[in-house]
Amino acid sequence: GAGVSQSPRYKVAKRGQDVALRCDPISGHVSLFWYQQALGQGPEFLTYFQNEAQLDKSGLPSDRFFAERPEGSVSTLKIQRTQQEDSAVYLCASSPKRTAQPYEQYFGPGTRLTVT
Amino acid sequence: SQQGEEDPQALSIQEGENATMNCSYKTSINNLQWYRQNSGRGLVHLILIRSNEREKHSGRLRVTLDTSKKSSSLLITASRAADTASYFCATASLYGQNFVFGPGTRLSVLP
Repeated sequence: GAGVSQSPRYKVAKRGQDVALRCDPISGHVSLFWYQQALGQGPEFLTYFQNEAQLDKSGLPSDRFFAERPEGSVSTLKIQRTQQEDSAVYLCASSPKRTAQPYEQYFGPGTRLTVT
Repeated sequence: SQQGEEDPQALSIQEGENATMNCSYKTSINNLQWYRQNSGRGLVHLILIRSNEREKHSGRLRVTLDTSKKSSSLLITASRAADTASYFCATASLYGQNFVFGPGTRLSVLP
């Protein structure tokens, strides 16, 4: 079956623009995670969903970042009024597990966001 | 801020040699995992070691965990050019629902 897909793969936004990044998890996966990965760094946790419930959004860097997963499947990460420091690769991962220890996350290829 | 710290940051070896990467972390963990990331791609899960385990093997991979030192190592034996990638350790805390990744080791295996 298909893995985790993300779209667009690349996005260039002018500072101040709003962007929406989409994640299609593996079908049936309960848990969904968003990470931000700066160049040369490891991924940093942004937020976590279990089905449609956003259980942890402690990693969202500011109130300009918003994520949703209204039907417990596809998720959208929205960034309002983008800033240059938002430039990064945004990774989505899903897991079939619903426990608090969701090991074996399956990652998508990421969306590379460049804010000019 | 990231909990894990890998060293070295970059490693260059010849095909056939062994590659060892280390990871240190700060808080108590439930498990530690290693992931590989090829350039421009997502992360691929390699191996998981639980906090009550000391060593684990998977094919050419060997992972050790020393909870007293809060450190782990990943050994890749008989490396191949296809092993060229960045390798990240990720820790899952006792209470958290997410992973904390280190900054990664960039491994280059030269043919």
